[in-house]
Amino acid sequence: NAGVMQNPRHLVRRRGQEARLRCSPMKGHSHVYWYRQLPEEGLKFMVYLQKENIIDESGMPKERFSAEFPKEGPSILRIQQVVRGDSAAYFCASSPETDNEQFFGPGTRLTVL
Amino acid sequence: KQEVTQIPAALSVPEGENLVLNCSFTDSAIYNLQWFRQDPGKGLTSLLLIQSSQREQTSGRLNASLDKSSGRSTLYIAASQPGDSATYLCAVRAAGNKLTFGGGTRVLVKP
Repeated sequence: NAGVMQNPRHLVRRRGQEARLRCSPMKGHSHVYWYRQLPEEGLKFMVYLQKENIIDESGMPKERFSAEFPKEGPSILRIQQVVRGDSAAYFCASSPETDNEQFFGPGTRLTVL
Repeated sequence: KQEVTQIPAALSVPEGENLVLNCSFTDSAIYNLQWFRQDPGKGLTSLLLIQSSQREQTSGRLNASLDKSSGRSTLYIAASQPGDSATYLCAVRAAGNKLTFGGGTRVLVKP
């Protein structure tokens, strides 16, 4: 059973470009969570999704960030018009039910030049 | 607002010593607490999950305790090895499913 998969593992963008981060949850998991780890800071919750639904986006910046988890395919975290402050490691986690442990992917390291 | 604190921020011990890592949280209304390991530049590996109704969990050389009423958890690693060198994170889950993380304890085990 493959773990949580994220791609790309490393992403370099210039200021103003768009970044798309993908996350495929573990088989049988229908809950996806995105977290961000800024340099020298702890992990912070961004958004919690189920298939076709955003359940909690209280940690998402109000502008430029969006997330989706379609019926088919991976979850996508999209950052429009990236700025240097968006440089961070973005981690995706999945769980099978709401009160089970969360399993994390290897992360996508975004660098904005 | 839930806040999670880990002390110490960094720890260096000689190989063979036992490790004691502390985690405290401000709101005791949690569903569970997870301990993770993170290696430099890598993702998070789940070590132990303690449900709110449990007092401890054990896996091999690892033992984690939970005192929900006082808002504390402790991770014990017995007979440390150089391969245990990593950052250890604790995270609590309250209502809403999101995890709130501590800042981590960076551990170095010297051969």
